[in-house]
Amino acid sequence: DTEVTQTPKHLVMGMTNKKSLKCEQHMGHRAMYWYKQKAKKPPELMFVYSYEKLSINESVPSRFSPECPNSSLLNLHLHALQPEDSALYLCASRGAVGARGELFFGEGSRLTVL
Amino acid sequence: AQSVTQLDSHVSVSEGTPVLLRCNYSSSYSPSLFWYVQHPNKGLQLLLKYTSAATLVKGINGFEAEFKKSETSFHLTKPSAHMSDAAEYFCVVSDRVDYKLSFGAGTTVTVRA
Repeated sequence: DTEVTQTPKHLVMGMTNKKSLKCEQHMGHRAMYWYKQKAKKPPELMFVYSYEKLSINESVPSRFSPECPNSSLLNLHLHALQPEDSALYLCASRGAVGARGELFFGEGSRLTVL
Repeated sequence: AQSVTQLDSHVSVSEGTPVLLRCNYSSSYSPSLFWYVQHPNKGLQLLLKYTSAATLVKGINGFEAEFKKSETSFHLTKPSAHMSDAAEYFCVVSDRVDYKLSFGAGTTVTVRA
């Protein structure tokens, strides 16, 4: 099983809503990532969890709140978002510690903020 | 510090002709290099990777890339383009410093019938 599964695939929310994005992997990977991607742009790193601890936060606004309940699951809690937060949110995992391993990406969650 | 430059923002080829996507990198350490493909509204799929073994790397769907340390390049090629190759392609570099990877700006490939 080499999949990273993201749910939901599509999400529409108002600026006052609270919602969550979910990511799951069963490859035994110990690093998990959240990226934000705008159209025709490369993914922008948001957060990295290593061994279930937050190791990198790329100065992301607090309206985005990550959570890693266990080594297979990664959540992104969303609250009071702005229309400019509309984007494709990608989860990825990486097995190897350090430089040699590739990222395995999910299909993404397409978020629209009204 | 690491960085990636994709030299072409857009490449247009005819079906059945070769494809060349150019990538130059900068890294303070011995890097790992990757090419990913992204079709519309999809996630990123790994095409191939270089991790300090053979410098000519073969990937999926007939793609290959050559790591040239002296030129700090990792160009992606395919001998014969197919319509299904129309997509966005990203060159990615990683070094030993931390968990971060650096993405190039991307190259959009269109394939003419």
